[in-house]
Order: sequence, then structure tokens, then C-alpha cells
Amino acid sequence: EDQVTQSPEALRLQEGESSSLNCSYTVSGLRGLFWYRQDPGKGPEFLFTLYSAGEEKEKERLKATLTKKESFLHITAPKPEDSATYLCAVISGGYNKLIFGAGTRLAVHP
Amino acid sequence: DVKVTQSSRYLVKRTGEKVFLECVQDMDHENMFWYRQDPGLGLRLIYFSYDVKMKEKGDIPEGYSVSREKKERFSLILESASTNQTSMYLCAIGPNSNQPQHFGDGTRLSIL
Repeated sequence: EDQVTQSPEALRLQEGESSSLNCSYTVSGLRGLFWYRQDPGKGPEFLFTLYSAGEEKEKERLKATLTKKESFLHITAPKPEDSATYLCAVISGGYNKLIFGAGTRLAVHP
Repeated sequence: DVKVTQSSRYLVKRTGEKVFLECVQDMDHENMFWYRQDPGLGLRLIYFSYDVKMKEKGDIPEGYSVSREKKERFSLILESASTNQTSMYLCAIGPNSNQPQHFGDGTRLSIL
């Protein structure tokens, strides 16, 4: 059964303190892994797509990487405005169905 | 910019009522999805549609139905609302390829 597990559930950082979020997945034939950011009371906002092991994508202070079993979202020198829930999802089956992890709640304090 | 519009941000209904949630897209994407999001459970797929008048059950379809009469509009229907359907409901759209889905801002539904 396809499955996505994210860790930690919650992470508290000081401004400028770099860290990584983990997304472990089990899927028969990875066709795509996606990272989203979700602010309270809003829908998830697309960040990155990764398709094959070794691939990396960057955007401002965020960098996503992919291996055959997991993906990492690295946050370098975070700012309070990076506080959000970060969601990971993989394509499962046809019609682009997504399987989501439960998310990591990130809080960055000044 | 991708635009996915959900008809209400907040909705309060009573047990037993029939509830309609609407989602409209402006991207001409084939696929449209309805999820619910609950604390600790993440996003769970209720139903999706890959074409007009076509629908497929997701992981938790019980108590829900859907309608897609036009390509740009996808409706979620709670046939007889119950308190355990209190949740955040999210609509998403996506093309028929390995591309990301894009989400609306959600409807926070409370059933009293």
C-alpha cells in the first residue's frame, strides 16, 4: 500500500537556525513527489516537484532533495515568515491521485 | 496564475441538512478533486473527476456524492449532514499528467 510519512510532526526553530524536514515514502513506481506549504486557514500552496532520485530544487531559503526512499526539505537561515505547515505528497495510481503525509508544523521564532 | 475558487470560506449547517460545496476552476484542467483535512489525519481524498459527468471514489466517499456537469465546476454534496463531517474541505485541480495539483483556499464546514 502506498504510504507517506513525515517527520517531525512539529519543529520549532530560532530565526537563522537551519534544519531539515523529512518525507519517507513507499510507492510502487514513483511518478512524482510534491512539496506544499500551507498557512493557517488557507489551501496548500505548491512549492516543488521532484521526479527522480538525485534531483534537487531550490527556491529562496528552501531546497528539496530526493532519494529512492525519502525526500528532504532543507530550510537555510529561516525567517518567521517561513512558519507554516509543510506537506509532502506522492502520485499514486492513475489520474494523478495524490497520497499526502500528515505534514510538519514549522514555527520560526525571532 | 492558477485560480481555484471555492464558493464559501465558512459554512454552518445543521444535522440532516443537504449541503452543497462548489468549486470552480479557470485552467481547463481535466482532473478535479475533493479532499477533507482533519488535524492529525492529513488530507484524505473523498472523490475525484477526470472528465465531465465522470467520477471516481477516493478513500473516504461514504456520506458524500459529487456532480460535474461542466468542465470548470465540481460540486461536493453531503446528502444528510452529520457532525462527523465537520471539517475543512479542499478542492484541487490538475492536468492529466505528472504535474502538481493546485488547491483552493478551502471551506471550513461546521455541522451542528
